[in-house]
Amino acid sequence: QQPVQSPQAVILREGEDAVINCSSSKALYSVHWYRQKHGEAPIFLMILLKGGEQKGHDKISASFNEKKQQSSLYLTASQLSYSGTYFCGSSNNAGNMLTFGGGTRLMVKP
Amino acid sequence: DAGVIQSPRHEVTEMGQEVTLRCKPISGHNSLFWYRQTMMRGLELLIYFNNNVPIDDSGMPEDRFSAKMPNASFSTLKIQPSEPRDSAVYFCASRIAGADTQYFGPGTRLTVL
Repeated sequence: QQPVQSPQAVILREGEDAVINCSSSKALYSVHWYRQKHGEAPIFLMILLKGGEQKGHDKISASFNEKKQQSSLYLTASQLSYSGTYFCGSSNNAGNMLTFGGGTRLMVKP
Repeated sequence: DAGVIQSPRHEVTEMGQEVTLRCKPISGHNSLFWYRQTMMRGLELLIYFNNNVPIDDSGMPEDRFSAKMPNASFSTLKIQPSEPRDSAVYFCASRIAGADTQYFGPGTRLTVL
């Protein structure tokens, strides 16, 4: 079953923050985050493996709450380059077969 | 290093025709994934291979779809006969088995008229 992402779309001004949520009805082993720009392939951002783990690089970070079966992606001080569609992919085993959420379309305006 | 290579990048065909999509994974990667992306259904996993062996094809929509991986450097996804509802972008991704990151190819945009 597909994880549920929210919001479906968000518009930001440059420098603003955003949070994208990903929830699963199944127990999660890992959550993967990808970003896809229009007409391009999805690009891997990060993976979270442990409950409560938080990862990040630059101004993009994520958390994983294993008990709540959800993950959140945090984008701080957004830049124009952050625009795109963000997907979470969930896996319930170590084989890392991913089921992707429906995506969150993020648009950052000047 | 070259990334995942897919061909063709665009394919337009008529209903009933056979379509073959091709993928060359990154050298040294031994897991390969085929995905389909549409506006309605999002990004769906169709099938994945480990060491050239199909591990899970539960995402393959129906018998019209088949995938092969004859060697570590080549995979095909075939649709026969094609239907308009097969129109989508088909992505191939590869990964080193046990590693976290899947690397996606540029995709093939398929239009079935």
